[in-house]
Amino acid sequence: KQEVTQIPAALSVPEGENLVLNCSFTDSAIYNLQWFRQDPGKGLTSLLLIQSSQREQTSGRLNASLDKSSGRSTLYIAASQPGDSATYLCAVRDSGGYQKVTFGIGTKLQVIP
Amino acid sequence: KAGVTQTPRYLIKTRGQQVTLSCSPISGHRSVSWYQQTPGQGLQFLFEYFSETQRNKGNFPGRFSGRQFSNSRSEMNVSTLELGDSALYLCASRYSGQGFEQYFGPGTRLTVT
Repeated sequence: KQEVTQIPAALSVPEGENLVLNCSFTDSAIYNLQWFRQDPGKGLTSLLLIQSSQREQTSGRLNASLDKSSGRSTLYIAASQPGDSATYLCAVRDSGGYQKVTFGIGTKLQVIP
Repeated sequence: KAGVTQTPRYLIKTRGQQVTLSCSPISGHRSVSWYQQTPGQGLQFLFEYFSETQRNKGNFPGRFSGRQFSNSRSEMNVSTLELGDSALYLCASRYSGQGFEQYFGPGTRLTVT
């Protein structure tokens, strides 16, 4: 059974700092991994999708990497801004069976002006 | 292109009642997935539909059911509501292929009293 862990659970940083969020998964047989952000009481906004054959994806100030063999992904946020404050979730889609999606519990990020 | 829409946005029900939630995917998306989000358990997968067929199911009791219509719209039903069913129910749609990313709706906040 796939398990997804996100560390840290919460993070508070001053504006302008570069930061890294971590996601680890137990079963490396994945199809892809997707990073989302969620604002309080809202739905999820897709940030980046990395296919299992890819090593990283970039969008603006965001860069996500994937090391499938070690079961890890990181989301790098450059020059953080108060508007980046949200909960960040990673989701793993298994490659076998019915290709279920498993979410981590998320990292709650606060960027202090 | 319009995003994923969910109705209603908020719902209050009493124990023992049943409820039906609706999700309209992004135009052209044929896959719809449902998730339950609670503070304690995070996001948990309920089921996925593709072309009116349930393709995948999470570990939820039979009180949780769903269906998808020919226009890809989906409904989720919960019968005999329990207090523990109080949660944010999120719907996500994606294009047919497994490699495509999921797009989430704003969710339906269900409160069971």
